[in-house]
Amino acid sequence: QVTLRESGPALVKPTQTLTLTCTFSGFSLSTSGMCVSWIRQPPGKALEWLARIDWDGDKFYSTSLKTRLTISKDTSKNQVVLTMTNMDPVDTATYYCARVLVGGRTAFDIWGQGTMVSVSS
Amino acid sequence: EIVLTQSPGTLSLSPGERATLSCRASQSVSSSYLAWYQQKPGQAPRLLIYGASSRATGIPDRFSGSGSGTDFTLTISRLEPEDFAVYYCQQYGNSPLYTFGQGTKLEIK
Repeated sequence: QVTLRESGPALVKPTQTLTLTCTFSGFSLSTSGMCVSWIRQPPGKALEWLARIDWDGDKFYSTSLKTRLTISKDTSKNQVVLTMTNMDPVDTATYYCARVLVGGRTAFDIWGQGTMVSVSS
Repeated sequence: EIVLTQSPGTLSLSPGERATLSCRASQSVSSSYLAWYQQKPGQAPRLLIYGASSRATGIPDRFSGSGSGTDFTLTISRLEPEDFAVYYCQQYGNSPLYTFGQGTKLEIK
């Protein structure tokens, strides 16, 4: 059974750096074709893709946020970490990690429950 | 960047009725690269359809996807009470890799 779980602070201050961890099970990010993404959703709004990391270490970022994002993986711990710098109240959202559909990499087939992050002083 | 526009914003129907949700892309999208999700309040999205028309694992056959080019449709043949939720389309492309529509809320009439 594939599961993903996000963890991180519920509250950060403006200008701080956010660090989120996605811990997964049921698959290995060292297996060819496996990828994990981060997606966020502000309250009452639509989904926004943030970043993806692939089994081979390739990384991809949202065009609008790429200067603030870093994605990394620890294969031995089955974890993917996302950092976002210079947090602002508009970054308040639920942050999800999701496994990318194996084979096509065109969609997200398994999602974590999400973690709500508020940005406020 | 490809923009996905979903319509209607809200759809009010009764259980047993047929629901038709639309997703229009600002540029042509490969059918292989269009997906649909269902999201219920307080829950993560759930993949329903990928490749425009392939049902994800465990998705009932009352859900179907169709379309090509810039126009895609999610159809729910006979609405069950548990189908009332928000639905998002999503495309896979270049820069950014993934974009989502703004969602259609399917509510009970």
